[in-house]
Amino acid sequence: DAKTTQPTSMDCAEGRAANLPCNHSTISGNEYVYWYRQIHSQGPQYIIHGLKNNETNEMASLIITEDRKSSTLILPHATLRDTAVYYCIVNSARQLTFGSGTQLTVLP
Amino acid sequence: GAVVSQHPSWVICKSGTSVKIECRSLDFQATTMFWYRQFPKQSLMLMATSNEGSKATYEQGVEKDKFLINHASLTLSTLTVTSAHPEDSSFYICSAYPGTAPSYNSPLHFGNGTRLTVT
Repeated sequence: DAKTTQPTSMDCAEGRAANLPCNHSTISGNEYVYWYRQIHSQGPQYIIHGLKNNETNEMASLIITEDRKSSTLILPHATLRDTAVYYCIVNSARQLTFGSGTQLTVLP
Repeated sequence: GAVVSQHPSWVICKSGTSVKIECRSLDFQATTMFWYRQFPKQSLMLMATSNEGSKATYEQGVEKDKFLINHASLTLSTLTVTSAHPEDSSFYICSAYPGTAPSYNSPLHFGNGTRLTVT
């Protein structure tokens, strides 16, 4: 799987949009970009994934650059319950390889 | 849909005893399940791939005789930590794909984990 780079931590004000960046400059053509999050002492939760096009679901939006070398996860209106570690994973295998992720802290 | 359930949520056992952790796919069948381990303040590390009806595949450095995996049905995989030691204390998490031949366009779904403490 291609390596990803994410900031170690980010803060966001409650009610504002949280924009979490991820670099994956070595991504190959058949690799999807997946985002998961892990709230303390729970299993990872699937958020969204995409290949080339931007994607949106009830949880978040995923913006992938045209060259696919980076992406941004957007939580449009962050709440305190969105405080978690967010993992960006580039997947070309059945199992997922987790990096260190970004600790997002939503502040009241 | 696509719910993965783990049991127990937490367990405390004495050093030298064995502990079994169950992972069930509640609303789908899974020929393959994955077992991860997570130490405090670290990321998830893949331990092994559990295959229904055949032997599990272990990652390098994971002792297959210590971490016994059984995947006897399409909805149940078990991980048994044998002769547990305090250094085996960790957060164990299982995961699975719906379907028998998942593509890269298929999210992996995770259980809520089992916190093992060995005293």
